[in-house]
Amino acid sequence: QVQLQESGPGLVKPSDTLSLNCFVSGFYISSGSYWGWIRQPPGKGLEWIGSYYQSGNTYYNPSLENRVTISGDTSKNQFSLRLNSVTAADTAIYYCAKIGQDGNVYYWGQGTLVTVSS
Amino acid sequence: DIQMTHSPSFLSASVGDTITISCRASQYIDIYLNWYQQKPGTAPRLLISAASSLQSGVPSRFSGSGSGTDFTLTISSLQPEDFATYYCQQSYGTPHLTFGGGTKVEI
Repeated sequence: QVQLQESGPGLVKPSDTLSLNCFVSGFYISSGSYWGWIRQPPGKGLEWIGSYYQSGNTYYNPSLENRVTISGDTSKNQFSLRLNSVTAADTAIYYCAKIGQDGNVYYWGQGTLVTVSS
Repeated sequence: DIQMTHSPSFLSASVGDTITISCRASQYIDIYLNWYQQKPGTAPRLLISAASSLQSGVPSRFSGSGSGTDFTLTISSLQPEDFATYYCQQSYGTPHLTFGGGTKVEI
């Protein structure tokens, strides 16, 4: 059974960097699939942020590409998100997810709310 | 970028109704279209992949159709647990994904 668990600060100051980790159990992140981050502002829809592939390749939403970094740590079986220069518009529930090579999001973490506020 | 547009954004229905939700892609995406259900306070759940393929454990009252740019999700005989928000998502551009804005199904 694949499980994903997000962790990180729930409050980030404007202009700071948002950093989240996603620990994966039940599947090795080096064994296939994309490992992605998806966010959802309160009361709004879903936005794909980006994905990390087993090979180490990364793919980002063009609207966030200049501020985002996703990386993987196979020794800890986790992957991470860094989003620079945050503003209130980055306040959202952040989900980590296991995405198949077919682009289907099969497994989701429970989500973690990150609020950007001074 | 491929944009996904839902219609309607909100839908009021009753238990037992049959409803249809539409999703349109800004360009051709073949059948690379998925549907998710999200209930308040929980992560989305994959219902249908490849436009019409029901995921394991999803009730047969859910069905999907379409190809190219226009897709529909139909829920027959709405049940109380079906009141939720539904999102379409294109996987044609994998690994670049896009979600629609969602359709909230309310009583």
